[in-house]
Parts: sequence; C-alpha cells; structure tokens
Amino acid sequence: QRVTQPEKLLSVFKGAPVELKCNYSYSGSPELFWYVQYSRQRLQLLLRHISRESIKGFTADLNKGETSFHLKKPFAQEEDSAMYYCALSVESGGGADGLTFGKGTHLIIQP
Amino acid sequence: GAGVSQSPSNKVTEKGKDVELRCDPISGHTALYWYRQSLGQGLEFLIYFQGNSAPDKSGLPSDRFSAERTGGSVSTLTIQRTQQEDSAVYLCASSLARAREAFFGQGTRLTVV
Repeated sequence: QRVTQPEKLLSVFKGAPVELKCNYSYSGSPELFWYVQYSRQRLQLLLRHISRESIKGFTADLNKGETSFHLKKPFAQEEDSAMYYCALSVESGGGADGLTFGKGTHLIIQP
Repeated sequence: GAGVSQSPSNKVTEKGKDVELRCDPISGHTALYWYRQSLGQGLEFLIYFQGNSAPDKSGLPSDRFSAERTGGSVSTLTIQRTQQEDSAVYLCASSLARAREAFFGQGTRLTVV
C-alpha cells in the first residue's frame, strides 16, 4: 500500500478555499485518516473517513473510484497553517499492517 | 499516563555508538508504532506491535535497527553503530486497535555527529 501527497508545500490566502490532495494505492477496502502537526506540537488526528465528520471546518471524502481522500476547507484561516499527513490503514494478513503515511503537505495560510 | 511519553527528548551521539530510545504508550493501548520523521521524507514506518502478535518489522531500514516491547507496554527502539543518516526525529504512537486513532509522543530528536 502507498499514500501519495503530491504537494510538499501549499500556500493560499486567508479566506480562500483549500484542498490538500491525497491518493492511495490499495485494492481492498482501506481506512483513511488525516493527521495534522501544528508548529511545536505533536502529530494528532484531524479526521477519519469512517466518521464522515467535519473538524475545524475540514472535510474529506473517500473516492474509491479515483482512490483519493482529498482534504478540503471552504475558507482557510491563519491557524490552519501546519503540516498535514494523509494516512492509510489496511490489514493484509501477514504483510504490513499499520498506518502508512504520505510524505506530508506543508500548508501556509497567508494573511 | 496523560499521553504517549518518549525519552529522551533529544539525543546527540557519536557515529558508531549505540542508542536506545524509549516509548511509554497510553495504558491499555494494544497497538504501538515507531516512525521516523526526516525533513523532506515525511513519516517513515519502522515497526508495529499489536498485542501478543509477532511485530511487523517490515519498515526497519537495516539490521542495525531493532525494537522490543516488554509486557505489552513499554517499547525500546535500539539503533546499533549509528550513522549520520540515522539523524531524525523518532516518533512513537499507540492506539487501542489498528484502525483506531493513533496518539503520538513528542518524539526523540536524534543527532549523530
């Protein structure tokens, strides 16, 4: 399994929409997460696809056809500036069985 | 405890020395993960423990790396004969189960000089 976050850095202005891209490769039914790391803080869970919830204005929809789990927010705020990691959890019975992370996207919200 | 605790917070070691990094997971969490975080490399999976099952060691980069988890709780990541490329932040996380939320420690910043 693999997680791809194509953008290392994404810079948008405050109030603009944000979309952080995440694509995964896995043939079965994955469980997907977004984790966030604010400056000088621990990595923490932002949201997971099975909850179908909006956290801090962020949403993410699992698109199995496109194997994507993009993170979106309609109006960015300065406090959203952070590193965002997309993560995939699978169970492959004898193979890798843990959380696989993408390389992360550094989101900068400009005032 | 209040959360996942890692020690030491920072470690500077000379090339060729062995180091041990410790992780105290949240009490009751059966799953424990080790990751390495390097600039530009994101989070690299190292090893995963789940209950009494054999650990998934598929992410360990070389045989210089090993980890154990005693009594299903505390875990130690050992790096033997450290190299400069081992310099990174080593993160530990624990969760109640595989697909549940993983809680991360603050990390150990390892610098090999």
